[in-house]
Amino acid sequence: EDQVTQSPEALRLQEGESSSLNCSYTVSGLRGLFWYRQDPGKGPEFLFTLYSAGEEKEKERLKATLTKKESFLHITAPKPEDSATYLCAVQKGSMNSGYSTLTFGKGTMLLVSP
Amino acid sequence: GAGVSQSPSNKVTEKGKDVELRCDPISGHTALYWYRQSLGQGLEFLIYFQGNSAPDKSGLPSDRFSAERTGGSVSTLTIQRTQQEDSAVYLCASSLGWGVPQETQYFGPGTRLLVL
Repeated sequence: EDQVTQSPEALRLQEGESSSLNCSYTVSGLRGLFWYRQDPGKGPEFLFTLYSAGEEKEKERLKATLTKKESFLHITAPKPEDSATYLCAVQKGSMNSGYSTLTFGKGTMLLVSP
Repeated sequence: GAGVSQSPSNKVTEKGKDVELRCDPISGHTALYWYRQSLGQGLEFLIYFQGNSAPDKSGLPSDRFSAERTGGSVSTLTIQRTQQEDSAVYLCASSLGWGVPQETQYFGPGTRLLVL
């Protein structure tokens, strides 16, 4: 059974205090790993997709990395506006099926204090 | 361009009533997905549409749940005889189709359903 585990469940940082969020996964036939940001009362907002171990992607203060078992979302010098829940999802599928499904973790709730 | 839209944004209903939730995907997106997000839980996959067909209904929790898509665009998720455990946020996502990066899913704002 596919599993996605995110840690920590919640993280409180001071503005400027860098840290990392973890997403560990077990899935057969991984096609990609997705990171989304979700603000309260809103739908998830797409951040990154990673497709192979060793791949890295950056966007402003965020950098996502991928290994064969886990992904990290590094937050450098966070600001209060980075406060949100960060969701990790693994994508599996096959060329035969012609579509893919996402299995989500429960998320890490990040709060950045000024 | 316009993103995925969902209506209503909030719905309060009484146990036993039927509800319909609507999703308008991004124009040109052929794939459409429904998910459910319950308090303290991750997003749970419900159903996938490619065009007007639903090749994967494996996530629908019971036969009280059904969905359809018309014209390769708008989709409606119907919950019959609602139960309190149906209370959740129902999220819709769409993607261009198959392949990288077309399969990236973009989400709507969700419909918050409360069953009293």
